[in-house]
Amino acid sequence: QSALTQPRSVSGSPGQSVTISCTGTSSDVGGYNYVSWYQQHPGKAPKFMIYDVSKRPSGVPDRFSGSKSGNTASLTISGLQAEDEADYYCCSYAGSYPWVFGGGTKLTVL
Amino acid sequence: QVQLVESGGGVVQPGRSLRLSCAASGFTFSIYGMHWVRQAPGKGLEWVAVVWYDGSNKYYADSVKGRFTISRDNSKTTLYLQMNSLRAEDTAVYYCARQWELSAFDIWGQGTMVTVSS
Repeated sequence: QSALTQPRSVSGSPGQSVTISCTGTSSDVGGYNYVSWYQQHPGKAPKFMIYDVSKRPSGVPDRFSGSKSGNTASLTISGLQAEDEADYYCCSYAGSYPWVFGGGTKLTVL
Repeated sequence: QVQLVESGGGVVQPGRSLRLSCAASGFTFSIYGMHWVRQAPGKGLEWVAVVWYDGSNKYYADSVKGRFTISRDNSKTTLYLQMNSLRAEDTAVYYCARQWELSAFDIWGQGTMVTVSS
């Protein structure tokens, strides 16, 4: 099972919006509405941000939103803030090979 | 307070074994699937293994299948990862994580570092 494909890095200025893509196949992202997203600051454990493609757990700001089209899922962060600077990982349930992560995207807030 | 605390990491020689533990507290451990996820230095997250809430089913990443065994003791609210025949490429921070519904991991431990080196 190959890792999902994410851009290595994205950047944006405070107040702007950025979108991080996560591309898989019909066996994972495209086949299930079970994509989740995680935020990880340096030296810290990942933090749960989005599940089931677009649902936000309690406590996650509504600036974070998720979507999916075909084999590609996306995380959009609007109204960028300095504390959003972190690594972001997507993950998909993949049926017979249960869970697969993306390679991660480094978000820089300029 | 919902919490997962890993322990058992360290430096081990190639070919040797190590057992990680993950102590859970603050929630009903016995009703959740539990996972191990690892992160090699400077690299991304890699899913390792899952055990069903009652221990009835276990699945592994191909990279660890046949060498690692996930288990749990619901009476002790503890998750385990027995790692045998360790290789240099197993060097990573190992996180335990609670499964949220089917698709996600909502609670993560702080991680424990495993270094495989001679």
